[in-house]
Amino acid sequence: GAGVSQSPSNKVTEKGKDVELRCDPISGHTALYWYRQSLGQGLEFLIYFQGNSAPDKSGLPSDRFSAERTGGSVSTLTIQRTQQEDSAVYLCASSSGEGSNTEAFFGQGTRLTVV
Amino acid sequence: SQQGEEDPQALSIQEGENATMNCSYKTSINNLQWYRQNSGRGLVHLILIRSNEREKHSGRLRVTLDTSKKSSSLLITASRAADTASYFCAPRSYQKVTFGTGTKLQVIP
Repeated sequence: GAGVSQSPSNKVTEKGKDVELRCDPISGHTALYWYRQSLGQGLEFLIYFQGNSAPDKSGLPSDRFSAERTGGSVSTLTIQRTQQEDSAVYLCASSSGEGSNTEAFFGQGTRLTVV
Repeated sequence: SQQGEEDPQALSIQEGENATMNCSYKTSINNLQWYRQNSGRGLVHLILIRSNEREKHSGRLRVTLDTSKKSSSLLITASRAADTASYFCAPRSYQKVTFGTGTKLQVIP
């Protein structure tokens, strides 16, 4: 596709349920990032994939959060046993992965509301 | 951490005025990037300045970089109401991209 695509755009879930958020990066981009942004706050780094390297999971807030990237393309962020504090916009970005002199392209995010 | 910190946290100006936002960071960098976010959704890349550059222009945007002070500034000249957004800096030394809390700019018509 032409840009980074995230689905769903909005998700309302009940506390305790599991949710899966999907990110389709720009074709050919080897680097993929997940961020979380609570209302009125900055971007909190969650996880970063680069090619076939082990992902950088240093930003995941708890073991309820996990992410995978299949075939070096689509990524899924899974939140198990959701809590109200998980409510936020989850943003995905990708870049060409050719070092630091590249820009990150963002999707429009998934707004997650846990009720 | 290569994360930058933006200052001020919030800025309100009249249309037509210039807006200046600052970014400070702690580690050595290869480049520094500025991004813009409208309405809490995806960020859009604005401009990249390399570590060997001191100033860069793009339209109404002017970015400066002082690596000795580990700081950068973003100047938006002749601001417009449509410039209302949050602005984030991203100091880069390797592939991973992290962001600070941003500067919320409000341009009043």
